[in-house]
Amino acid sequence: GAGVSQSPSNKVTEKGKDVELRCDPISGHTALYWYRQRLGQGLEFLIYFQGNSAPDKSGLPSDRFSAERTGESVSTLTIQRTQQEDSAVYLCASSPGTPQYFGPGTRLTVL
Amino acid sequence: DAKTTQPPSMDCAEGRAANLPCNHSTISGNEYVYWYRQIHSQGPQYIIHGLKNNETNEMASLIITEDRKSSTLILPHATLRDTAVYYCIVRPSTTGNQFYFGTGTSLTVIP
Repeated sequence: GAGVSQSPSNKVTEKGKDVELRCDPISGHTALYWYRQRLGQGLEFLIYFQGNSAPDKSGLPSDRFSAERTGESVSTLTIQRTQQEDSAVYLCASSPGTPQYFGPGTRLTVL
Repeated sequence: DAKTTQPPSMDCAEGRAANLPCNHSTISGNEYVYWYRQIHSQGPQYIIHGLKNNETNEMASLIITEDRKSSTLILPHATLRDTAVYYCIVRPSTTGNQFYFGTGTSLTVIP
């Protein structure tokens, strides 16, 4: 079956612009996670959605970052006024409980 | 989540078994051991998880010591496509929260 998909696969933007990243989870997965991975580093948790519960936003690095999820489907991660340090691969994962299944990521480059 | 310790890198000859160790000396009784891997430029891929019994699936075997303070992931016949960074993670097997990915072990399978 279809796995987690993310779009775009690559995004190049200018400093100060807003970007929106999309994640389509596996159908039926109630949990959805966003992570950030800087070059050569491990994964950094950003935000977690579980069903209709309030999301766990404890990993968002600043108020420029926000995410939404409609029910148990698509999620979007928005970064406002992008900075060069936002350059990274942004990974989405979905889960029916355990384990997590990851998408291919969106590589964001802020010039 | 309990901290895990893994060697930063390992080599393995193609066709031989790759044994990747992980120390998790502060693991709690309700925490599972998970293994993921990340092939270059891809999202992490779930491999296997276990609580205290040894586990085997089509990808690998997981050997957990009786005191649960360490474990070994075994790839029985390594191929070049197994070259990746392997992450050992411990966490409760419940929904919620994130996986804390460390820096993992970079496995290189040598022809």
